[in-house]
Amino acid sequence: DVKVTQSSRYLVKRTGEKVFLECVQDMDHENMFWYRQDPGLGLRLIYFSYDVKMKEKGDIPEGYSVSREKKERFSLILESASTNQTSMYLCASRGTSGYSYEQYFGPGTRLTVT
Amino acid sequence: AQSVAQPEDQVNVAEGNPLTVKCTYSVSGNPYLFWYVQYPNRGLQFLLKYITGDNLVKGSYGFEAEFNKSQTSFHLKKPSALVSDSALYFCAVRTGTGRRALTFGSGTRLQVQP
Repeated sequence: DVKVTQSSRYLVKRTGEKVFLECVQDMDHENMFWYRQDPGLGLRLIYFSYDVKMKEKGDIPEGYSVSREKKERFSLILESASTNQTSMYLCASRGTSGYSYEQYFGPGTRLTVT
Repeated sequence: AQSVAQPEDQVNVAEGNPLTVKCTYSVSGNPYLFWYVQYPNRGLQFLLKYITGDNLVKGSYGFEAEFNKSQTSFHLKKPSALVSDSALYFCAVRTGTGRRALTFGSGTRLQVQP
């Protein structure tokens, strides 16, 4: 089974802090994604990466950056956390071989910025 | 641009009755369609997908979905609902080319009453 793990389930940070959210997958997947989930808005794509050191902006990249130094790890960085970044953050991964196509999700990190 | 609409915020159904959760989509090109389920405080779990072939696809936990190209719909169905099916359901779409990430609907909360 594919396993996607996220470093924290719950996180509380102060406004202005630099925040790191870590995601690790164990299936050698090329593609990794960061979404945020807010009630009534579904999941919105922040960034994704299709290879080591490669990244593309999603729909809502403002205020975020990402890092992918190793294939299995994809980090989301909030350079200066703000209260409007309080949300559930979900990481996902997907391979490119065969016809799987579906993304596998981690359990999520619920971030509260005070 | 691709988009997904889930017109119902919540669907209520009695246990043992059939259920339908609606999804319509808009893409340029052939759609790849997915349904995910989210239980409280958990990540998203893959239910089923349509890539090509038969319009009726079967997935996990007795769920199925019907792809209707003329109506651009991909409704999720189950013949007999269980209380344990109560959760948040997301429809998602992408195409085989272009954007690699999924575009999600806003989600539908399914409540199955005993």
